[in-house]
Amino acid sequence: GNSVTQMEGPVTLSEEAFLTINCTYTATGYPSLFWYVQYPGEGLQLLLKATKADDKGSNKGFEATYRKETTSFHLEKGSVQVSDSAVYFCALRESGGYNKLIFGAGTRLAVHP
Amino acid sequence: DAGVIQSPRHEVTEMGQEVTLRCKPISGHNSLFWYRQTMMRGLELLIYFNNNVPIDDSGMPEDRFSAKMPNASFSTLKIQPSEPRDSAVYFCASSLNVGEKLFFGSGTQLSVL
Repeated sequence: GNSVTQMEGPVTLSEEAFLTINCTYTATGYPSLFWYVQYPGEGLQLLLKATKADDKGSNKGFEATYRKETTSFHLEKGSVQVSDSAVYFCALRESGGYNKLIFGAGTRLAVHP
Repeated sequence: DAGVIQSPRHEVTEMGQEVTLRCKPISGHNSLFWYRQTMMRGLELLIYFNNNVPIDDSGMPEDRFSAKMPNASFSTLKIQPSEPRDSAVYFCASSLNVGEKLFFGSGTQLSVL
């Protein structure tokens, strides 16, 4: 079946460091890919998305490129801030059908000043 | 808009008791999702509805779990009888249409003693 695999956390960085969180997926067809972020005590929020191969999603300095050849959607940010500390979830939506999302396990990011 | 509203925010109960979680989706959204989040299993989709009709309940763990959506503005997730292993954060999410992003509520933290 379809699945999403993320790098395990926690990821601990100093402020202004470069961030990469790896995400790979297994899916039939042409899924859409997403990154959601969960701040402490809150629900998930959409961070960015890409709907087809080679698309780049970007938001708030974060970006991820849909790589069909490597079935990956790695999240990157050039310079993280303390306020970026959160749990990040990679997800896919199966092509066709309803809006069912399959999430990865989540990666906790802690940024220290 | 107030967003997706879940109640209660926290629930502590004893094993064997009935638990009912409530969700009010964003007005006008026609898809509603129930997710469960635990450290061990991450974020799991339990069930989702489209236009108040259950589409896929394959994620519901067992018969002790049931979900209803009597109208477009209200859904419940019931656990009867509850067990300690049901302790988790339960999220409700809604979306406007197929292909639109999910909006999550703040979740219900359930503790079954």
